[in-house]
Amino acid sequence: DAGVTQSPTHLIKTRGQQVTLRCSPKSGHDTVSWYQQALGQGPQFIFQYYEEEERQRGNFPDRFSGHQFPNYSSELNVNALLLGDSALYLCASRPPGGRSSTSVYGYTFGSGTRLTVV
Amino acid sequence: GNSVTQMEGPVTLSEEAFLTINCTYTATGYPSLFWYVQYPGEGLQLLLKATKADDKGSNKGFEATYRKETTSFHLEKGSVQVSDSAVYFCALSSNTGTASKLTFGTGTRLQVTL
Repeated sequence: DAGVTQSPTHLIKTRGQQVTLRCSPKSGHDTVSWYQQALGQGPQFIFQYYEEEERQRGNFPDRFSGHQFPNYSSELNVNALLLGDSALYLCASRPPGGRSSTSVYGYTFGSGTRLTVV
Repeated sequence: GNSVTQMEGPVTLSEEAFLTINCTYTATGYPSLFWYVQYPGEGLQLLLKATKADDKGSNKGFEATYRKETTSFHLEKGSVQVSDSAVYFCALSSNTGTASKLTFGTGTRLQVTL
């Protein structure tokens, strides 16, 4: 059973460019969240998607946007890249069940996409 | 808002030593608490969890007890191995409203030597 799959694994972009990161959730999971992990820091919540809609959003600018598809996969888009956007971007998924599902199962994380902005 | 504070690392121990990594939290309501582990070059893996006060989570020899009175969730292991070397993250999920995001601490790096 495949876990959470993210692509690409590594990416180098130039300041000002746009990037799209992709995530396939674990089988049976319907909720996808995205996190940004800067070097030496804990992951920071970007946003969460459920039923193809953004349900929660962290303290990130509008340059960060996302999408969820009918098959529950998700994309994270970042426009006008800044040097400070360099980080490991983690996708996490959770089974159905809302808040109680988080309590019981936690989230399953992918291995992440390492984005370097130069 | 919610927050998690972890002891700063790195923590360096000899194999078979006792491990404690401190974690305290601030949250509204009654959060669920988690420990995640991150091995080099990998994503986060759920290590253990506790959903209510006095619950003890355990896995692979690691334990943590949800202490509401001290708002703590310290991670312990009686005898660490070299293979336990990783970064450990304490996290919480609030159980109020619709929030289910995870709030993480900054992580504690553990290095176990022979």
